[in-house]
Amino acid sequence: AQRVTQPEKLLSVFKGAPVELKCNYSYSGSPELFWYVQYSRQRLQLLLRHISRESIKGFTADLNKGETSFHLKKPFAQEEDSAMYYCALSNAGNMLTFGGGTRLMVKP
Amino acid sequence: GAVVSQHPSWVICKSGTSVKIECRSLDFQATTMFWYRQFPKQSLMLMATSNEGSKATYEQGVEKDKFLINHASLTLSTLTVTSAHPEDSSFYICSAGLAAGSHEQFFGPGTRLTVL
Repeated sequence: AQRVTQPEKLLSVFKGAPVELKCNYSYSGSPELFWYVQYSRQRLQLLLRHISRESIKGFTADLNKGETSFHLKKPFAQEEDSAMYYCALSNAGNMLTFGGGTRLMVKP
Repeated sequence: GAVVSQHPSWVICKSGTSVKIECRSLDFQATTMFWYRQFPKQSLMLMATSNEGSKATYEQGVEKDKFLINHASLTLSTLTVTSAHPEDSSFYICSAGLAAGSHEQFFGPGTRLTVL
């Protein structure tokens, strides 16, 4: 069975500080991993996916198969980054399994 | 970009009634749509996978006779909560994928169901 774990429910940092949202997964196959973000009163939207290896809004995430992790990082947090962040794993059937989510609060 | 809409955005109903929620892909065709349920301050839990022209695939623990899913066209999937009870009150979210094999999903804004 596939599982995604986000150990932190809440992460609070000051503006300009580095941020790392942790995500660990378990999956027997070759995973496709995503980070989705949900800003206040908005729908869930894709932030980035591991296969594209891109940086979106300053965020990056590297898939570490040895540690089965896909942590989301940003060197300098901004207030507008405050949101709910969900790590998700997609299996061969395109079904997404979500982690429990981490609420990021960036304080001024 | 790919847009998914849901209707209604909020519904309040009496216990025992049935409620239908629509999920539409507005500018693309979706052979597969997904229905999720989200309780307050919790993550999204997949309820079922809706396949156009065939029966939906339900996750373990989800009653298929309670949550009826119909995917009659490539742009519309409906979720009907039958004989709703207060414990069915939740946020229901649908998503759609662009194409077979694409792992990216686009999410609707969600429907808040309150059963009195």
